[in-house]
Amino acid sequence: DAGITQSPRYKITETGRQVTLMCHQTWSHSYMFWYRQDLGHGLRLIYYSAAADITDKGEVPDGYVVSRSKTENFPLTLESATRSQTSVYFCASRLLSGDGYTFGSGTRLTVV
Amino acid sequence: SQQGEEDPQALSIQEGENATMNCSYKTSINNLQWYRQNSGRGLVHLILIRSNEREKHSGRLRVTLDTSKKSSSLLITASRAADTASYFCATDSNDYKLSFGAGTTVTVRA
Repeated sequence: DAGITQSPRYKITETGRQVTLMCHQTWSHSYMFWYRQDLGHGLRLIYYSAAADITDKGEVPDGYVVSRSKTENFPLTLESATRSQTSVYFCASRLLSGDGYTFGSGTRLTVV
Repeated sequence: SQQGEEDPQALSIQEGENATMNCSYKTSINNLQWYRQNSGRGLVHLILIRSNEREKHSGRLRVTLDTSKKSSSLLITASRAADTASYFCATDSNDYKLSFGAGTTVTVRA
């Protein structure tokens, strides 16, 4: 079972470029989330979505855009990448509020 | 800002020993969850304890929750090398998104 998949696994991009990180889940979970993980900061929420066409900002949304036209996909776009956005990005989903999350394997993004 | 904070930041134990880590949080919660992250991988959900529960077990894991002290503990009994990982607590506070702590790194020595 595929579960939740993120792509690409690794990405190097240049400052100022637009880059999109993909997240796809196969369970029709209602809720989806994007977190970034940096040393010393743990996981910080970027954006989340309660259902298709419903998205909301998390703790650190600046410089990021999301969309959710289909329940199973939740792409994260960095409109103009900066070095401070070098991080490991995790997508997660949950079926219902109050459930545990299922995480993807992460995308390691380096902005040079 | 992080809701949960784990203590200690790092823990090194011998195989077969027990490992205990603690989590403190600031606001009222619906539930508290623990996750494990192996190096270079995503987080894996271990156990969820609801605010009206005091203790929960799952295999070699034992979680306690004290809502009056706003704290939780995770005990791993009879540790194995495969338990080497980072462990995170996460709080669910009425708004369906989790807030994670910075994690405890556990190293189990053979």
